[in-house]
Formats: sequence, C-alpha cells, structure tokens
Amino acid sequence: DTEVTQTPKHLVMGMTNKKSLKCEQHMGHRAMYWYKQKAKKPPELMFVYSYEKLSINESVPSRFSPECPNSSLLNLHLHALQPEDSALYLCASSQDGGETQYFGPGTRLLVL
Amino acid sequence: ILNVEQSPQSLHVQEGDSTNFTCSFPSSNFYALHWYRWETAKSPEALFVMTLNGDEKKKGRISATLNTKEGYSYLYIKGSQPEDSATYLCAFIIQGAQKLVFGQGTRLTINP
Repeated sequence: DTEVTQTPKHLVMGMTNKKSLKCEQHMGHRAMYWYKQKAKKPPELMFVYSYEKLSINESVPSRFSPECPNSSLLNLHLHALQPEDSALYLCASSQDGGETQYFGPGTRLLVL
Repeated sequence: ILNVEQSPQSLHVQEGDSTNFTCSFPSSNFYALHWYRWETAKSPEALFVMTLNGDEKKKGRISATLNTKEGYSYLYIKGSQPEDSATYLCAFIIQGAQKLVFGQGTRLTINP
C-alpha cells in the first residue's frame, strides 16, 4: 500500500469554527509532513513530524495545531482561521527525512 | 532564503514531440533533488530522487540529469503523450534538513 489518504477532500469553515484535517499512511513511514499550497504557488512546508515528534515548525501561526497520535496518523487542527488561510493542504510521508515523499491528494479548504 | 527556479512556467507541446525543462537550485550544501509530477485533482507523484553530480535517471519516456556543481537539473520527455500533461515540480533538500523547497513548477500541456 503506497497510498496516503486525506480527509475531508473539501472543507468550508467560518472564522469562528474549529475543524480538523486528517492524514493516514500505512507504509511504515516515520516522517510525516503538512504543506500548504496557494493557487499558482509551490507547496510550502508547514510542519514535519519525525518518529511522532514535531521536528520542524516553519513559524506557522498557532491557529494551526498539528498532532501525531501514532506513526500512521497526522492531524491538523484548525481554529479561528482567516480567509487568507484558504488553500490546498497536502500531507506527505517518507521512510525518513530526505527520502522520497509520498503525497496525499490534499484537502481544499475555504475559510469564509 | 533558498530559491528554486523552474523554467519555463508553462509549455505547450504537440503530441509526439520531445521536450525538456529546467530546475535551478543553490549549488552549496546540496543533499538531494526531487522531481514530482502533479496531475490536476491527483496527488503529486514522485518521479526521481537525484543525489550525485552527473546522475542520470530514467523512467519510461521520462529522464532527468543533475549537475550539482552548477546547480541545475533537466527533465526530458521523449515522444510526448496527452497523459504527460501535468505540472512538473522540482524540490531541493540541503544537507542536514528534512525540508523540501519546491520550485514553482512547469505546467506542461500536450496538444493532440
């Protein structure tokens, strides 16, 4: 199984809502990543978890809160987002840092 | 600030023709260069991971070369087919980091 799954595919939320994005992989990968991609821009790294510990936080605002409950799951908790946070959120995993990253299809988020 | 440049930004090619495009990256502290293909509404798919100067990799009709001394990589597609239509992203990793820094991508359209 070389698939990374993400749910939901689409999400519309208001600025006062709390929601979560979920990512799952069953490849035994020990590194997992969250990226944000705005239209016509490249994906930008947000967070890296390595062996279930947060290893990189690219100065992401605290309204985004990552969580890695176990080695197969990665969540991104969203609270009090702004309209400019509307984007495609991609999850990826790799065997270890620096190796090929396998991406999910993304969650397209719209903040109203 | 790491800067990864891809050119051209978009490309229209006639079916059956061959094409190539470029990824430029910083030549210092090089660790690896990744190429991904990203079709609309799908997950980015890993094509190549290149680590050694002079590397040449091939996957079917697609091949890539790497020059770490001058900081560039070329991706070649031979005999383009409509299914090659996608955005091709390169991503650079520096030594000691788990972070992929993506270029803006080359959007390739194959005209039947």
